Amino acid sequence: GAVVSQHPSRVICKSGTSVKIECRSLDFQATTMFWYRQFPKQSLMLMATSNEGSKATYEQGVEKDKFLINHASLTLSTLTVTSAHPEDSSFYICSASNDGDTEAFFGQGTRLTVV
Amino acid sequence: GQQLNQSPQSMFIQEGEDVSMNCTSSSIFNTWLWYKQDPGEGPVLLIALYKAGELTSNGRLTAQFGITRKDSFLNISASIPSDVGIYFCAGHKGTYKYIFGTGTRLKVLA
Repeated sequence: GAVVSQHPSRVICKSGTSVKIECRSLDFQATTMFWYRQFPKQSLMLMATSNEGSKATYEQGVEKDKFLINHASLTLSTLTVTSAHPEDSSFYICSASNDGDTEAFFGQGTRLTVV
Repeated sequence: GQQLNQSPQSMFIQEGEDVSMNCTSSSIFNTWLWYKQDPGEGPVLLIALYKAGELTSNGRLTAQFGITRKDSFLNISASIPSDVGIYFCAGHKGTYKYIFGTGTRLKVLA
């Protein structure tokens, strides 16, 4: 399958700071990228969908000003958690597909801990 | 958000046994995907299904796309310890959005 690389795999930050997570498709062009949040022992909850060159579409209840998503190229999307709080601590996972209509491939995930 | 119902939620089996899990939805999907997630990792795609009734295998894994397009099942034959993990189904409607199941946690006893 296609390779999606997510970085960093783990990050610890102080409350009030911002954290950027990168998601890269290494061997295909990702026209659509998805950002998920996963709490322990739970399923993946979609936060937002981004298409290259356009604004992201956020799911209901997800604050777009807090979770900034940029999809500036066909191989890179970033999620920035702004003014992080301890309740933002979670496992964040990105996935990418090449036309939104086929299989989606996942990154390794980022474990964010806000202290 | 919307989720698909997966059952069982968790299961303990003996090594060598066959495993069966399923995923159901109240709405129709055009594509069904099955993923496996190891602790601390992102999900890895196992099998993708595109047509109602389709039966697809990947090694010891077999998955089927239900005729009604509202369900899918995954079978694992002759389980081994490395099959342990969480298995997720995901449905896709062609709306650029994948809906995930609640997950089945599999533990294999050697």
